[in-house]
Amino acid sequence: GQQLNQSPQSMFIQEGEDVSMNCTSSSIFNTWLWYKQDPGEGPVLLIALYKAGELTSNGRLTAQFGITRKDSFLNISASIPSDVGIYFCAGHLQGAQKLVFGQGTRLTINP
Amino acid sequence: EPEVTQTPSHQVTQMGQEVILRCVPISNHLYFYWYRQILGQKVEFLVSFYNNEISEKSEIFDDQFSVERPDGSNFTLKIRSTKLEDSAMYFCASSLMGTDNTGELFFGEGSRLTVL
Repeated sequence: GQQLNQSPQSMFIQEGEDVSMNCTSSSIFNTWLWYKQDPGEGPVLLIALYKAGELTSNGRLTAQFGITRKDSFLNISASIPSDVGIYFCAGHLQGAQKLVFGQGTRLTINP
Repeated sequence: EPEVTQTPSHQVTQMGQEVILRCVPISNHLYFYWYRQILGQKVEFLVSFYNNEISEKSEIFDDQFSVERPDGSNFTLKIRSTKLEDSAMYFCASSLMGTDNTGELFFGEGSRLTVL
């Protein structure tokens, strides 16, 4: 089946630092999404990307849909303690109902 | 803000027992989904449901699983005879449009199932 490879698996940073994570796939996706999951809660949508090459920002978050449609990255600038959590990329294939999720990036921030 | 609600938040059951997980999707949404997340792993698709029928299901969603929309508001996932490996967090999600029409999914907080 389709696989999304997300990296890094975990990050330990200082408050105020910038963060970058990415997802790659051997499959072409027509939509890329980035979700954040806090402990004991469901994933919450951060950014959705619909076109190859698209660069979208949401506050301190910036995400890009790769030109090849096989990758995406998420950047967080000037991290703050509430950014702690697990970030998942998810891709959607044309004609399918399901989202395919990456393995997640666990972000830990030292104050 | 409208949200997807799930009950119970945590259920402990014996292997072989039947379990029903309940969800109330956002009221004007038309597409409904179940995903699961085994502890420490990624979120996996189980099934999508539209117009009172399953529109897509994964290989995980075998004959032990079923979904139902018994009335205008609830969406349920039933596991007929639970196995140890069914222990996971089960997330319900809904969307106004299907994901093949760039519909954005809204997830509930999840129901944790522990099978002993």
